[in-house]
Amino acid sequence: KAGVTQTPRYLIKTRGQQVTLSCSPISGHRSVSWYQQTPGQGLQFLFEYFSETQRNKGNFPGRFSGRQFSNSRSEMNVSTLELGDSALYLCASSLGRGTSQHFGDGTRLSIL
Amino acid sequence: AQSVTQLGSHVSVSEGALVLLRCNYSSSVPPYLFWYVQYPNQGLQLLLKYTTGATLVKGINGFEAEFKKSETSFHLTKPSAHMSDAAEYFCAVSGLADMRFGAGTRLTVKP
Repeated sequence: KAGVTQTPRYLIKTRGQQVTLSCSPISGHRSVSWYQQTPGQGLQFLFEYFSETQRNKGNFPGRFSGRQFSNSRSEMNVSTLELGDSALYLCASSLGRGTSQHFGDGTRLSIL
Repeated sequence: AQSVTQLGSHVSVSEGALVLLRCNYSSSVPPYLFWYVQYPNQGLQLLLKYTTGATLVKGINGFEAEFKKSETSFHLTKPSAHMSDAAEYFCAVSGLADMRFGAGTRLTVKP
């Protein structure tokens, strides 16, 4: 069974640009969650999608958005990039709340 | 509301020694509890989970954790540390809302 796949693995952008990250969940998983991981703030929850609907959202500005497609694949978008957006962005899929989350290897985003 | 507190951001043990990573949780509903491990440049990998039933949970790589409701704790242990256990460990709690992670504990294993 294939795991969670995140693309790209590495990304370099400059301030003001926008970026789209992709996540393909484990087959059969309808819940996809996104996290931002930085040395200073640790793992911070961005949002969760279930069956194409955003079910929960963390405390991030509106520049961070996401969506989920009918095949459960998810994308997150960050607009007007800032230096502080440099982080490892992790995607996790699960069968639903209370079940184990399975993580991808992340996308490392660097802002110059 | 749910939250997790991991006591000790860094733990160092000698190879062969006991590993004890501490986790306390807060949850307004019966919690589901998890331990994850993260190696450099990788995502998180599930070590073990507690949902219901037996309070002593065994996971992969020789790790286990005990759910103690009276102490609101879910500490992770391994009898004998191996060099390959060096990584960052995250405790997490899940209930009605999203999963909440602790700040992580970096485990160093000395030869």
